Amino acid sequence: TQLLEQSPQFLSIQEGENLTVYCNSSSVFSSLQWYRQEPGEGPVLLVTVVTGGEVKKLKRLTFQFGDARKDSSLHITAAQPGDTGLYLCAGAGAMGAQKLVFGQGTRLTINP
Amino acid sequence: DAGVIQSPRHEVTEMGQEVTLRCKPISGHDYLFWYRQTMMRGLELLIYFNNNVPIDDSGMPEDRFSAKMPNASFSTLKIQPSEPRDSAVYFCASKRYGVNTGELFFGEGSRLTVL
Repeated sequence: TQLLEQSPQFLSIQEGENLTVYCNSSSVFSSLQWYRQEPGEGPVLLVTVVTGGEVKKLKRLTFQFGDARKDSSLHITAAQPGDTGLYLCAGAGAMGAQKLVFGQGTRLTINP
Repeated sequence: DAGVIQSPRHEVTEMGQEVTLRCKPISGHDYLFWYRQTMMRGLELLIYFNNNVPIDDSGMPEDRFSAKMPNASFSTLKIQPSEPRDSAVYFCASKRYGVNTGELFFGEGSRLTVL
């Protein structure tokens, strides 16, 4: 069974600070996605990374896929209250696999 | 375009009762997934369908759970009999086939409370 572990589980910081969230596994994934979920809603896709070592930027968010495709990180620069939410990483096993395994999530709170 | 539609949004029932959750996927999507989310276990995949056919139901907790997809625009997840430990938010999600998995579109979830 492929498992994804996210850390930290909870993070509360002040507006303007930087932060990094980690997603780790002992398994190799063909692709990895990051979703954000707000209260009362379903998760929404932020990014998909496919190539080992790949870095993608989405405004103040930077996503990196590990060289071995077993881990990923999400870095937020100058966090804002609007970044508050549950961040979930999700991995797909073999190339072409349609099933996603989710990490337990990091609950992020940005205080004004 | 309408997203994934789930009903009911909230359900409160008593232990032993039957619960049916419903989902309408996005038109044109050929994969449908049922997930369950709790604080303790996070988002767990229960079952998924491809072109209305169940592909992997290894995440279904036990025989009390069953899921059907009679056509491309409708799926149900049934729990009979329900137990307090089934309390969770149940999400339906759909997607098109993608070589790199592709984007999963979630509904707003059905929050189930079993007393």
